[in-house]
Amino acid sequence: AQSVTQLGSHVSVSEGALVLLRCNYSSSVPPYLFWYVQYPNQGLQLLLKYTSAATLVKGINGFEAEFKKSETSFHLTKPSAHMSDAAEYFCAVSDRNNDMRFGAGTRLTVKP
Amino acid sequence: EPEVTQTPSHQVTQMGQEVILRCVPISNHLYFYWYRQILGQKVEFLVSFYNNEISEKSEIFDDQFSVERPDGSNFTLKIRSTKLEDSAMYFCASSRDYHNEQFFGPGTRLTVL
Repeated sequence: AQSVTQLGSHVSVSEGALVLLRCNYSSSVPPYLFWYVQYPNQGLQLLLKYTSAATLVKGINGFEAEFKKSETSFHLTKPSAHMSDAAEYFCAVSDRNNDMRFGAGTRLTVKP
Repeated sequence: EPEVTQTPSHQVTQMGQEVILRCVPISNHLYFYWYRQILGQKVEFLVSFYNNEISEKSEIFDDQFSVERPDGSNFTLKIRSTKLEDSAMYFCASSRDYHNEQFFGPGTRLTVL
């Protein structure tokens, strides 16, 4: 079955610094990959998704992620962190069965 | 902008009772899902539903759970004989197509006492 591993349960950056949230996946078939963001007491909002088109995927709020098959990775980046980016970020994978499996999440803290 | 809605936002129940969590997916979506998130843990897939039947379910989704689409708009998750460990946030989601973006509702927080 497919799965994802998010390295680092907590990442802290300064405002304006690069954001890098790591995600590695495991899938026996070409995967569909997603990043979701969860703000406190809210549901999950899709940031971006990879569905076998371009390997560099641009999402909302200035985030992007690059699919690297050789590294089985789908890391999320943003060049310059904003205070409003503080949230929990979840990487997720789904295969042909369409059931989505989430990583454990990474809590992003942005320091002024 | 259309959105997935869930009711109630918070449900408190006694252990052993049955609860029904309700969701209204986005109207033109065809695929429906339930997930749960135990406090401080990751979001876990429970079940997916398409064409009035379960298309996929996880090992968590045992006989205690059932889903139903009783009419053209609602999608429900029933938990029979609730246990303390069922306390979690339950998210409903829907998608238009297979492997398309899943839109999540705000969740129902279930507390089992």
